[in-house]
Amino acid sequence: GNSVTQMEGPVTLSEEAFLTINCTYTATGYPSLFWYVQYPGEGLQLLLKATKADDKGSNKGFEATYRKETTSFHLEKGSVQVSDSAVYFCALSVKGTYKYIFGTGTRLKVLA
Amino acid sequence: DSGVTQTPKHLITATGQRVTLRCSPRSGDLSVYWYQQSLDQGLQFLIQYYNGEERAKGNILERFSAQQFPDLHSELNLSSLELGDSALYFCASSAHSGLNTEAFFGQGTRLTVV
Repeated sequence: GNSVTQMEGPVTLSEEAFLTINCTYTATGYPSLFWYVQYPGEGLQLLLKATKADDKGSNKGFEATYRKETTSFHLEKGSVQVSDSAVYFCALSVKGTYKYIFGTGTRLKVLA
Repeated sequence: DSGVTQTPKHLITATGQRVTLRCSPRSGDLSVYWYQQSLDQGLQFLIQYYNGEERAKGNILERFSAQQFPDLHSELNLSSLELGDSALYFCASSAHSGLNTEAFFGQGTRLTVV
């Protein structure tokens, strides 16, 4: 079946530190991959996406590269800010399955 | 603002009762998805509709049902409510169904069953 595995949180970093949140997937077809962010009390917002192998999605300083050989889509940011504190979800969608499958989420806390 | 509207934002009800959650998708989006988010189970896919037709069903209890109306808004009906049904219920919409498009999420309805 299709599934997403994310690294366990919480992740606590100091401001300006480098961020990596690992995400690996299992898919029966060729998935599209997404990172969503959820700020406290809000819904999920799309952060970035990649729809084919070797694509790099980027937004607001965050990046993730679709690696088919390692079935991974790790999220990175070179310098985090306090305002990046949120829960990050990795997700996939496979054509013909009509749904998005989410990882369990990784809580990020950035300290000033 | 994602363009997806969910009402109500908060709902408190007693065990055994029935509630209806409403979702208006983004303008032009034909697909609607319902998810349940609880502390211990993350985001669980419940059901998906495309242009009025059910296309996919996830771990949705028999006490729960949903539909998508001709104007594309959707409702999720939860009946015989139990304490364990307390959760955040999200609606999302996308332009297509299962293609390379992202889903846009509403702000959610927080259901508390007492």
